[in-house]
Amino acid sequence: QLVLTQSPSASASLGASVNLTCTLSRDFSTYAIAWHQKQPEKGPRYLMKLNSDGSHNSGDGIPDRFSGSSFGAERYLTISSLQTEDEADYFCQAWGTGIQVFGGGTRLTVL
Amino acid sequence: QVQLVQSGAEVKKPGASVKVSCKASGYTFTGYGISWVRQAPGQGPEWMGWISGYTGDTKYAQKFQDRLTMTTDPSTSTAYLELRSLRSDDTAMYYCARDQYNWNDPLEYWGRGTLVTVSS
Repeated sequence: QLVLTQSPSASASLGASVNLTCTLSRDFSTYAIAWHQKQPEKGPRYLMKLNSDGSHNSGDGIPDRFSGSSFGAERYLTISSLQTEDEADYFCQAWGTGIQVFGGGTRLTVL
Repeated sequence: QVQLVQSGAEVKKPGASVKVSCKASGYTFTGYGISWVRQAPGQGPEWMGWISGYTGDTKYAQKFQDRLTMTTDPSTSTAYLELRSLRSDDTAMYYCARDQYNWNDPLEYWGRGTLVTVSS
């Protein structure tokens, strides 16, 4: 069964970097995922598609501060030079035969 | 630019039905599919289903098979979600989102959401 696991919360200081993790269930460790950002009072925003080899394609207008990497079944979103507007929920998405699946999301707090 | 504009908030009683619309602009509606995703308070997003903008073919998540219908009106570039037999746990924000290219791709563009509240 395709399942995506995320930590519920993370925090980091203004100007610092943070890594958020999305873990694929074992049998699906080669799958690509997408990262999305959900800011308060806004619709979700597509950040990037992240492949199993760590290559990624960012959405339109996404700053270079957002990058992705992969290791095994883990997919990472790295946000560098954190800004106050990066405080948001981040969730991952994967797709399989006839289904789409989402992680539970990570709430990022910028200190 | 691509925009997905959703209908306004709804309040429904248990057992009723709700129909949410998603009007697309800025691209050829029949070239892409639309997924519907909901997020209940304090929970992660949940995929409900997908509809092709070209053929109208649908894929529904198993838990919604019995009470969910997705349709499109290509003449107005609008997708619809209808959920029947509403329960209190259907209270959530409902989003439409467009494929990046096709079904096996990320959801690249999202609507702002429609809040559906189910309460007696």
